Amino acid sequence: QVQLQQWGAGLLKPSETLSLTCAVYGGSFNDYYWSWIRQPPGTGLEWIGEINHSGRSNYSPSLKSRVAMSVDTSKNQFSLNLNSVTAADTAVYYCARGIEWQDYFYLDVWGTGTTVTV
Amino acid sequence: EIVLTQSPGTLSLSPGERATLSCRASQSLSSRFLAWYQQKPGQAPRLLIYGASSRATGIPDRFSGSGSGTDFTLTITRLEPEDFAVYSCQQYGSIPKTFGRGTKVEIK
Repeated sequence: QVQLQQWGAGLLKPSETLSLTCAVYGGSFNDYYWSWIRQPPGTGLEWIGEINHSGRSNYSPSLKSRVAMSVDTSKNQFSLNLNSVTAADTAVYYCARGIEWQDYFYLDVWGTGTTVTV
Repeated sequence: EIVLTQSPGTLSLSPGERATLSCRASQSLSSRFLAWYQQKPGQAPRLLIYGASSRATGIPDRFSGSGSGTDFTLTITRLEPEDFAVYSCQQYGSIPKTFGRGTKVEIK
């Protein structure tokens, strides 16, 4: 049973960098895309981006200039950095596993979420 | 970017009733790369449906997905008390992998 455990700073000042890490327990790391999604208070989900074990990544165009994702395959972990944060970046941030179906990846396992307040 | 529009915003129903939720895409989703998620307050989303109509592991058969092209539907045949939640659709066939804003199914 795969589990995702995530952590990172929950309170930031404007212009600082948001940094979150997600660890994968109980499953393979190499066969999936690893994703970040956020949910501002009272609103819907927003896809931030994804990365695979080799570092190939896709980002949302609206955040691409401020986002960087990375992987540490030795620890089965992946990370999100979002720089120059503002109050608009206040949200619950989720990590999730993307599983392949017909060459495309949907999200089947989610972390519990980290509340980030700017 | 593909925009997903979910309707209605809120659905007020009683336990035992049938729920029909809509998700409309701004462009055709080739190969039906659409998923549905359930989210309860304070919890992470839970995958219900992928590929527009395939139930995820452990999902009861009262949940079903259908549709193609630009119009997709999630149906809950008989609402159980634990089904009252927010339901979101997501397309994962093109970048960015956008979500709809969600439909809240509340107890009438």
